[in-house]
Amino acid sequence: GQQLNQSPQSMFIQEGEDVSMNCTSSSIFNTWLWYKQDPGEGPVLLIALYKAGELTSNGRLTAQFGITRKDSFLNISASIPSDVGIYFCAGQMNYGGSQGNLIFGKGTKLSVKP
Amino acid sequence: DGGITQSPKYLFRKEGQNVTLSCEQNLNHDAMYWYRQDPGQGLRLIYYSQIVNDFQKGDIAEGYSVSREKKESFPLTVTSAQKNPTAFYLCASRPLGQANTEAFFGQGTRLTVV
Repeated sequence: GQQLNQSPQSMFIQEGEDVSMNCTSSSIFNTWLWYKQDPGEGPVLLIALYKAGELTSNGRLTAQFGITRKDSFLNISASIPSDVGIYFCAGQMNYGGSQGNLIFGKGTKLSVKP
Repeated sequence: DGGITQSPKYLFRKEGQNVTLSCEQNLNHDAMYWYRQDPGQGLRLIYYSQIVNDFQKGDIAEGYSVSREKKESFPLTVTSAQKNPTAFYLCASRPLGQANTEAFFGQGTRLTVV
């Protein structure tokens, strides 16, 4: 099945540092979503992007929908220990009258050292 | 509270047994999904349903079966034909028929074959 290219796979950072991760695809998406998953839990939606070029913030999180509609990035500023988890990007395509399913990246595992 | 509920949280199965994982949502969402998550693999789509009494295979449907008799419920059966069933299973739902929609996840069921 189709998957997105998400990088990096993992990150080890110091508390207070900024974090950046991105997803790229060979396909165009209408929607980009970013989720965070804590160990043993389901993913929780962080940010949803619906327009090419759109830049959206949610607290210390900022995400952008790439102009080409084939990529997106997520930045976390001033990281804190509770930012630890796995971050997933997901792209969604709508074909005419049908409703497209989500395609997920493999995740970026973030570790924060106090 | 509106939401999507998976049960049980943990499930143990003997080899050769079928088991059924429950997923219920009271969000009035049309579409429901089942994903399998393995370490380093991201989320892989097993089955999805966009309407009652109809469902479609995802990327890794072999060894699994589903039903959608009610809008609120989308149970997943892991059959004995699934050769490597130990994994974390996630159910999601989202509304259809709107321009911008996001998928919401349950808390997951961890299935272990003993």
